[in-house]
Amino acid sequence: DAGVIQSPRHEVTEMGQEVTLRCKPISGHNSLFWYRQTMMRGLELLIYFNNNVPIDDSGMPEDRFSAKMPNASFSTLKIQPSEPRDSAVYFCASSFGQGTGNTIYFGEGSWLTVV
Amino acid sequence: AQSVAQPEDQVNVAEGNPLTVKCTYSVSGNPYLFWYVQYPNRGLQFLLKYITGDNLVKGSYGFEAEFNKSQTSFHLKKPSALVSDSALYFCAVRATTHTGGFKTIFGAGTRLFVKA
Repeated sequence: DAGVIQSPRHEVTEMGQEVTLRCKPISGHNSLFWYRQTMMRGLELLIYFNNNVPIDDSGMPEDRFSAKMPNASFSTLKIQPSEPRDSAVYFCASSFGQGTGNTIYFGEGSWLTVV
Repeated sequence: AQSVAQPEDQVNVAEGNPLTVKCTYSVSGNPYLFWYVQYPNRGLQFLLKYITGDNLVKGSYGFEAEFNKSQTSFHLKKPSALVSDSALYFCAVRATTHTGGFKTIFGAGTRLFVKA
């Protein structure tokens, strides 16, 4: 199994630009999560989907952030416009079920730097 | 409020010595508890979990954790630490959402340094 695949692994962009992060969950998993990790705030859940439907987006910081899951094998997290404070590692993760008792599998992360 | 706490930012231990990384939680209902490890520049990896049954749970790489209901704790332990165990460790707990569903809450993480 290839695991959760994220792209790009690293991105440096200028303030004001649009950033799109991509994720391919593990085949057969029906829950997908987007997390953000920073030194200051630790690991934060931004949004999660179950069966392609957003279930809880209360962690999305503001309207500049949006996430979609058009099908079971693909999700995007978009930031528009990006700001320096968005610099972080963004993790996509997936599980079978809503992570209740099921293991969550993480991708390797997308390291975003906004200058 | 539902939460998980890791009271130590960092734990230092000598190789070969036992290690403990602490975790306490606060949730409604029966807790589902997890430990994950993050190596530098990598994503989180699952170590072990407690759902029900034996309070002592064994996981990957020789780690184990003990569920203590009265103390609401789920400390991670290993009898003999290795330098390669140096990493960031996250405790996590299942919590209920405002819609009645579930989500996983992660602690702030504890950095473990094992010295040779």
